[in-house]
Amino acid sequence: DGGITQSPKYLFRKEGQNVTLSCEQNLNHDAMYWYRQDPGQGLRLIYYSQIVNDFQKGDIAEGYSVSREKKESFPLTVTSAQKNPTAFYLCASSQPAVGRNEQFFGPGTRLTVL
Amino acid sequence: KNEVEQSPQNLTAQEGEFITINCSYSVGISALHWLQQHPGGGIVSLFMLSSGKKKHGRLIATINIQEKHSSLHITASHPRDSAVYICAVLTSGSRLTFGEGTQLTVNP
Repeated sequence: DGGITQSPKYLFRKEGQNVTLSCEQNLNHDAMYWYRQDPGQGLRLIYYSQIVNDFQKGDIAEGYSVSREKKESFPLTVTSAQKNPTAFYLCASSQPAVGRNEQFFGPGTRLTVL
Repeated sequence: KNEVEQSPQNLTAQEGEFITINCSYSVGISALHWLQQHPGGGIVSLFMLSSGKKKHGRLIATINIQEKHSSLHITASHPRDSAVYICAVLTSGSRLTFGEGTQLTVNP
């Protein structure tokens, strides 16, 4: 089945450790996105990539890094510089070229930093 | 002030009731999305619209571009409709700006 997978669903890390969240899609989409969701707030864009080997900062990129070496993969690293990393992280993808740009979301990873 | 405002923030209804969730935005958009998020966290796209009205089963979405307003209606609501409903607008390029969501609870 086509879709977006994120793993793991729940992730626990100690403060000060970097952690990488996985996002894979088999929809052949060019664009991929990482969002952060906190209680009582709307989703906020961390980073996005419109094509392989290229990515741009979103609204809250500080303390995060990404790579886009393959079309189907867009991993997000939460670094120790991120002051409040505990949150729900959602990955999405879309195909802007077809004019609809409907975004498809993964199931999310809930990160807890202890 | 957020660029996308939803109301109400929380909504409790009895099974069978007609439900309306509203979304107002303050920026120019090329499209508006209605999304559904269940307790597990996964998000499903319900509608994407840029004008008029769309219907899918018991769900209806409308948009008024001049008034910068959209509504999501649920007819004959059911407990399985309980979820967070999120409005998001497509502004520049491929970026979405999200509302804070409306928590809907439908009681049997």
